[in-house]
Amino acid sequence: KQEVTQIPAALSVPEGENLVLNCSFTDSAIYNLQWFRQDPGKGLTSLLLIQSSQREQTSGRLNASLDKSSGRSTLYIAASQPGDSATYLCAVDQGAQKLVFGQGTRLTINP
Amino acid sequence: NAGVTQTPKFRVLKTGQSMTLLCAQDMNHEYMYWYRQDPGMGLRLIHYSVGEGTTAKGEVPDGYNVSRLKKQNFLLGLESAAPSQTSVYFCATQRGNTEAFFGQGTRLTVV
Repeated sequence: KQEVTQIPAALSVPEGENLVLNCSFTDSAIYNLQWFRQDPGKGLTSLLLIQSSQREQTSGRLNASLDKSSGRSTLYIAASQPGDSATYLCAVDQGAQKLVFGQGTRLTINP
Repeated sequence: NAGVTQTPKFRVLKTGQSMTLLCAQDMNHEYMYWYRQDPGMGLRLIHYSVGEGTTAKGEVPDGYNVSRLKKQNFLLGLESAAPSQTSVYFCATQRGNTEAFFGQGTRLTVV
């Protein structure tokens, strides 16, 4: 059974810092990996999707990498801002587009 | 273009009552999903559908039923609500191996 782990569970950093969120998964047979953002009381918003054949994806200040062989992905956030405060979740697609989620990292950016 | 719309947004049920949650999408996506999100458990897949008229069980299907009579709608039913079904329910849609889109969630409390 696929298990997805995100460490740390919570992270607090001062504004302007660069930071890395981690995601690991136990079964490397995945189709893709997605990173989502969830604001309190809201739904999930997809940030980046990395196909299994890709190594990384970039969108603005966000960069996500994927190492299937080691079962790891990282989300790099450059020059963090208070508006980046949210919970970040990663999810792997194991087929039929069924996503298996990690429990998320709650990120707080302090002004 | 509303995307994914869930109805209702909040509901309180008494144990044993029944209800139906509606998910409507206007993106013409084939795949639709129902997840529940619980503290410490992350998001877990309840049921999903790969097309109109088809449904399948996910990780935690017990106590729920679903129907996909029209491509744009995916209904989640609770036949006899239990306190263990207190949760936040999310609907999601996807087209093939692409990003998933989520609704804003339904917060359900069973007393």
